[in-house]
Amino acid sequence: EPEVTQTPSHQVTQMGQEVILRCVPISNHLYFYWYRQILGQKVEFLVSFYNNEISEKSEIFDDQFSVERPDGSNFTLKIRSTKLEDSAMYFCASSERSPWVVPQHFGDGTRLSIL
Amino acid sequence: GENVEQHPSTLSVQEGDSAVIKCTYSDSASNYFPWYKQELGKGPQLIIDIRSNVGEKKDQRIAVTLNKTAKHFSLHITETQPEDSAVYFCAASSPAGGSYIPTFGRGTSLIVHP
Repeated sequence: EPEVTQTPSHQVTQMGQEVILRCVPISNHLYFYWYRQILGQKVEFLVSFYNNEISEKSEIFDDQFSVERPDGSNFTLKIRSTKLEDSAMYFCASSERSPWVVPQHFGDGTRLSIL
Repeated sequence: GENVEQHPSTLSVQEGDSAVIKCTYSDSASNYFPWYKQELGKGPQLIIDIRSNVGEKKDQRIAVTLNKTAKHFSLHITETQPEDSAVYFCAASSPAGGSYIPTFGRGTSLIVHP
């Protein structure tokens, strides 16, 4: 079964540094999402992306965050200047059609640790 | 905005018993309610969902019920097995304002003892 893949599985970064998290969505999917899960807390929506632009974003997704689909397969989340509170699991998801009422397929996440 | 409460936070059962996880939501416009299972080190995986035009949906040992009047929905797992052990999240989506951003509950850690 096709999967969403995320790399790296664990990223350790110094506070203030830039970090890029990478995702390869399922190949025929058109909608892409990033979520965040702080340890022991609920999953939180960050951003959705369709047709090479952001379609929705949450309050968490401030100017320090950006997303990009640099080629036909990768979908990236960049945090420009990381803060301690950015430490979390970051999940990428994709869906075949628009947008929320069809199953979203999640990757296994990247654990981001900010020191 | 939407607020989803989920109970219990931890649920421990013996293999073969039933498990019930309950969620309440605040936005009466919410009309899509997915449930996700998250195993250790993995991302959430959709296991069942329900839309507001039905009251109950069943898929083998898993069922979900929805009470729109009371604004609550529940996940029922029958004949639990050790491999059902995981964290389960409920979520609610509302089309209000054209957005379907899902709001998740805090999760229930289900432990099934052999």
